[in-house]
Amino acid sequence: AQTVTQSQPEMSVQEAETVTLSCTYDTSESDYYLFWYKQPPSRQMILVIRQEAYKQQNATENRFSVNFQKAAKSFSLKISDSQLGDAAMYFCAYRRNNDMRFGAGTRLTVKP
Amino acid sequence: DAGVIQSPRHEVTEMGQEVTLRCKPISGHDYLFWYRQTMMRGLELLIYFNNNVPIDDSGMPEDRFSAKMPNASFSTLKIQPSEPRDSAVYFCASSYGGPMGYTFGSGTRLTVV
Repeated sequence: AQTVTQSQPEMSVQEAETVTLSCTYDTSESDYYLFWYKQPPSRQMILVIRQEAYKQQNATENRFSVNFQKAAKSFSLKISDSQLGDAAMYFCAYRRNNDMRFGAGTRLTVKP
Repeated sequence: DAGVIQSPRHEVTEMGQEVTLRCKPISGHDYLFWYRQTMMRGLELLIYFNNNVPIDDSGMPEDRFSAKMPNASFSTLKIQPSEPRDSAVYFCASSYGGPMGYTFGSGTRLTVV
């Protein structure tokens, strides 16, 4: 079974600084999708960024970028120029077909 | 588009009562998913539908849980009878399938006392 591991239960970053959240996953498949979701205190799950496994180029969305290492089964999220509004739980997710599995989450605190 | 709409936002009920959670997916999305989120178990997929047909319900915890999708714009998740251990946030999500992620509703926080 596919599993997703987020080894950092909590992370903290100073406003305007850069932070990287880690994620690893276990799969024997070659075709799949990876996602990062943000869950602020409002509890809404918001899609931050996605990556297709067949693409070598790392996805980027404004201040958010990923480092996708397929061989290492690693999918980290980098947040640049952190803002107070980035404070939230961040979930890494693996999806193959219609089975999406989530990691346990990383709580990000942004210090002013 | 208003996004995925779930109701109610909060539900408090007594043990043994029937609870019905509701979801309206995004128009045109042909996949609908029900997830449960708890501190202990994180986000778990309970069941998903494709074109209103249940495809995989292996995540439904037990027979007390049932889900229906009578049409493309409405789904329900029912718990009967409810128990305190069912307390959680229940999310509905929908998608087109393919490479896109799922769009989640705001969730229903269920408390069973």
